[in-house]
Amino acid sequence: GQNIDQPTEMTATEGAIVQINCTYQTSGFNGLFWYQQHAGEAPTFLSYNVLDGLEEKGRFSSFLSRSKGYSYLLLKELQMKDSASYLCAAVDSNYQLIWGAGTKLIIKP
Amino acid sequence: GAVVSQHPSWVICKSGTSVKIECRSLDFQATTMFWYRQFPKQSLMLMATSNEGSKATYEQGVEKDKFLINHASLTLSTLTVTSAHPEDSSFYICSVPSGGDSGELFFGEGSRLTVL
Repeated sequence: GQNIDQPTEMTATEGAIVQINCTYQTSGFNGLFWYQQHAGEAPTFLSYNVLDGLEEKGRFSSFLSRSKGYSYLLLKELQMKDSASYLCAAVDSNYQLIWGAGTKLIIKP
Repeated sequence: GAVVSQHPSWVICKSGTSVKIECRSLDFQATTMFWYRQFPKQSLMLMATSNEGSKATYEQGVEKDKFLINHASLTLSTLTVTSAHPEDSSFYICSVPSGGDSGELFFGEGSRLTVL
C-alpha cells in the first residue's frame, strides 16, 4: 500500500532551526510537496522536489532522497508565525497526491 | 492575490438541510478541481475530482448522492452536502491544479461546515 509517515508534533524555540522528516512509500514517484497549513486555513505551497538534493528558498529548505524514500523540510531562524502544521505529500505514478497526516510545529519564545 | 476563491468560509446549518459550497478559479480556466475534507488534527482526504462538463470521480467510501458535485463551467465547481448531519461537520477545501510540470495545487480558503 501507499503510505506517508511524518511526526505528529514537534516543538522548537524561536530563532532556532528545526527539521521535519517525511518518509514515503508509493506506487511510483513523481515528486514530493511540502505545504504549510495554519489552523483553520487552507494549505499553502512551500516546496516541490523531484530530484535528489537540497533546494533552498529563503528560511525554508527541502531535501529529497529518492533511493531512501525520504524527505525533510528545514526551517531556519524560526519565527512565532511559523507555528503551523506542515504537510508532506508524495505524487504517485498516477499523479495522485498521497498526503501525510501533517506535523504540528509549536514554536516557543 | 488569491487564485482560487471558495465560498462560504463558514456555514452553520440545521440537520437535514442542504449546503452548497462554491469553488472558483479566478485567473485561469480549470477543467479539473479537487474537493477535500479535513477533520481536526487530520490530513486532507480527497473526496472527489470534479471534471468540467462530465461527472465527478468519487473516491472510495464517499457517497456521491450525498456529496453532489457540479462543474458547470471552467471556473466554477460546487459541492452540495445534501441532508447534512452533525457527522458531516468538517473543513471542506477545494483545489485547482496549477497546470505546471510540478502539479502544484492552488487551494481555496476552505469552508468550515457545522451541522447542528
